[in-house]
Amino acid sequence: EDQVTQSPEALRLQEGESSSLNCSYTVSGLRGLFWYRQDPGKGPEFLFTLYSAGEEKEKERLKATLTKKESFLHITAPKPEDSATYLCAVQARNDYKLSFGAGTTVTVRA
Amino acid sequence: GAVVSQHPSWVICKSGTSVKIECRSLDFQATTMFWYRQFPKQSLMLMATSNEGSKATYEQGVEKDKFLINHASLTLSTLTVTSAHPEDSSFYICSAHRPGNSYEQYFGPGTRLTVT
Repeated sequence: EDQVTQSPEALRLQEGESSSLNCSYTVSGLRGLFWYRQDPGKGPEFLFTLYSAGEEKEKERLKATLTKKESFLHITAPKPEDSATYLCAVQARNDYKLSFGAGTTVTVRA
Repeated sequence: GAVVSQHPSWVICKSGTSVKIECRSLDFQATTMFWYRQFPKQSLMLMATSNEGSKATYEQGVEKDKFLINHASLTLSTLTVTSAHPEDSSFYICSAHRPGNSYEQYFGPGTRLTVT
């Protein structure tokens, strides 16, 4: 069974204070690892897909990296609008469904 | 990015009644859609995979007779919660797989169901 573990559960940052979120996973044949952002009361918003170890993707202040066992989401110089829950999910090669982690709730204070 | 809509965005119903939630892919055709449930402070739990023109595949522990899924066209999937009870109150979110070279799923805005 696919397993996704995210840490920390919650992260409180000062504006401009860079940090990283961790997503550890086990899956029988990884097709892709996905990062989503979710604001309260809304559906997840797609951020990145990573397909192979060593791959990196960037979008504004966010950068996602992937190894064979984990992925990191780096937030550089965060702003209050980066406050959200960040969800990690994996997709196995033999299926399209996503298995989600519990998420990391990030709060950025001005 | 791709656009997925849900209707209604929130609904309140009485215990024992049924409620239907619609999920539409607005700018692409989705052969596969997914239905998730999310309880407060928890992550998304997959309920079922909906394939256009065929029966849905339900995850273990999800009652197929209670959560009826219909995927009648390439842009519309519906979830009907039958004989709803207060414990069915939750945030229901759909997603759609956009065919092509990538495997991303795009999520709808969610439907908040409250059963009184």
